[in-house]
Amino acid sequence: GAGVSQSPRYKVAKRGQDVALRCDPISGHVSLFWYQQALGQGPEFLTYFQNEAQLDKSGLPSDRFFAERPEGSVSTLKIQRTQQEDSAVYLCASSLGAVQPQHFGDGTRLSIL
Amino acid sequence: QKEVEQNSGPLSVPEGAIASLNCTYSDRGSQSFFWYRQYSGKSPELIMSIYSNGDKEDGRFTAQLNKASQYVSLLIRDSQPSDSATYLCAVNKDDYKLSFGAGTTVTVRA
Repeated sequence: GAGVSQSPRYKVAKRGQDVALRCDPISGHVSLFWYQQALGQGPEFLTYFQNEAQLDKSGLPSDRFFAERPEGSVSTLKIQRTQQEDSAVYLCASSLGAVQPQHFGDGTRLSIL
Repeated sequence: QKEVEQNSGPLSVPEGAIASLNCTYSDRGSQSFFWYRQYSGKSPELIMSIYSNGDKEDGRFTAQLNKASQYVSLLIRDSQPSDSATYLCAVNKDDYKLSFGAGTTVTVRA
């Protein structure tokens, strides 16, 4: 497709379950970003990949959060032992290069019960 | 102090009027500035980018940047009901991270 694709669009999980969120960036975009957006707030940076290399994971809230991009295209954000405070919209963005404008997917709305 | 500050609004303007949105940032080393539009339940959509002082116009949108005052603004001329959305100001410091404001909600009254 032409844009950044994320799946699932909605995810409901019970506290303590593990979840995996997928991002398929725009073809040819080497840079990929994950952001977390709480209700009524702007997106907050989580992690950054250049191709398959995770160059910055400083925004990940805890060691329960893990992201990978093994072949430099599709990325997965995994959250282990989910907590209620993990409920948010998780946005993926991609760009041609690190400082180029970022283009966002529609996000995954995660609700932890 | 938050890195990027915006008035949360809501900003209500009549159809056809000019909507003016403001954003200030704290890091004087910031190099790139972006405005995103976000409809409820949708992803942020890039509408403007600006990198140097002055004005940049694109259709009904004008972005203004003043690095000395650490201020960036967005003007929407001839506002339409379809412009009703949350507008996010984003800043980066010549690296990859975007810092976002909380967004300004705009409502255009028909």
